[in-house]
Amino acid sequence: EPEVTQTPSHQVTQMGQEVILRCVPISNHLYFYWYRQILGQKVEFLVSFYNNEISEKSEIFDDQFSVERPDGSNFTLKIRSTKLEDSAMYFCASRPSGRIADTQYFGPGTRLTVL
Amino acid sequence: KNEVEQSPQNLTAQEGEFITINCSYSVGISALHWLQQHPGGGIVSLFMLSSGKKKHGRLIATINIQEKHSSLHITASHPRDSAVYICAVKPNTGTASKLTFGTGTRLQVTL
Repeated sequence: EPEVTQTPSHQVTQMGQEVILRCVPISNHLYFYWYRQILGQKVEFLVSFYNNEISEKSEIFDDQFSVERPDGSNFTLKIRSTKLEDSAMYFCASRPSGRIADTQYFGPGTRLTVL
Repeated sequence: KNEVEQSPQNLTAQEGEFITINCSYSVGISALHWLQQHPGGGIVSLFMLSSGKKKHGRLIATINIQEKHSSLHITASHPRDSAVYICAVKPNTGTASKLTFGTGTRLQVTL
């Protein structure tokens, strides 16, 4: 069964460094999402992406964050200058289409630790 | 106030028990998801509902759109059902079906 994959599974970085989290959505899916979950807290929406552009973003998704679909298969989340509070689990998700009946498929997550 | 509230927050059950987890939401929605998060952190989608009831194996999910309430039931619970169960809704507002999540219900099933 096709699945969403994410790399790396765990990333440790120093405060102020740039990180790129990678996701490979399911191949025929058109909508892509990033979510994050700070330890002990609920999952929060960051950004959605469709047709090579951001379609919606949350207040969390400030200028330090960017997303890209560089080659038609990868979907990346970049954090330009990481802060301690960026430490969280980051989940990528994809969805086949805009139909209400379509569910989102989640990747296994990348655990980001900022020291 | 959270848009999505779940109860209970924590639940311990013995193997074989019937389990119910509740989700209430305060916004108009087009769909509701039940998700399972394993101890390692990965999220699996269990159900997506916009009305009525769905069943998959020992899991049953129901939704009452008028009352803004959904329940997830697990019949004949087993220790492998131990996980965090998360309710997430797709509000009617917005364009790209972002999900709004509840805080989750941590379920522990013991032998």
